[in-house]
Amino acid sequence: DVKVTQSSRYLVKRTGEKVFLECVQDMDHENMFWYRQDPGLGLRLIYFSYDVKMKEKGDIPEGYSVSREKKERFSLILESASTNQTSMYLCASSLGPRDWGETQYFGPGTRLLVL
Amino acid sequence: GDSVTQMEGPVTLSEEAFLTINCTYTATGYPSLFWYVQYPGEGLQLLLKATKADDKGSNKGFEATYRKETTSFHLEKGSVQVSDSAVYFCATSRRTTDSWGKFQFGAGTQVVVTP
Repeated sequence: DVKVTQSSRYLVKRTGEKVFLECVQDMDHENMFWYRQDPGLGLRLIYFSYDVKMKEKGDIPEGYSVSREKKERFSLILESASTNQTSMYLCASSLGPRDWGETQYFGPGTRLLVL
Repeated sequence: GDSVTQMEGPVTLSEEAFLTINCTYTATGYPSLFWYVQYPGEGLQLLLKATKADDKGSNKGFEATYRKETTSFHLEKGSVQVSDSAVYFCATSRRTTDSWGKFQFGAGTQVVVTP
């Protein structure tokens, strides 16, 4: 079974802090994704990566950056956390490359609260 | 731009009732279509998918048919159980010419099944 793990289930940070969310997948997938999930808005894509060191902006990349130094690990970085970044963050991976019928496998999510 | 519209929830049903969740989409070309389910406290997992017109996806008693003419992918189950209580997300995925691709999730529909 594919396993996608996220470093924290719950996180509380202060405004202005730098925040790292880590995601690891164990199935040698090419593609990895970061979404945020908000009530009434569903999932919105922040960034995705189709290869090591490669990344593409999603629909809402402002205020976020990402890093993919190894194939299995995809990090989401909030350079200076703000209260409007309080949300549930979901990481996902898919086999790839460029197969748009592929299933995405999701981690359990990190609920981030920015005070 | 691409969008996915789902019926608003919560949808409350009695056990053994018939469930329908409507999903319509707008997208250029022929996207792949998915239903994901999120059980309480968990990440999303694939429920079913269809990659071309008139395909029917099915899993765990749920079904959905890719209707190109009505741009719809409605989810149905003939007899729901309490364990089907979850949030259901409709999603599209397609190749694009000017970037890597386009992924879109609906807002999600919460389903509550009572004994």
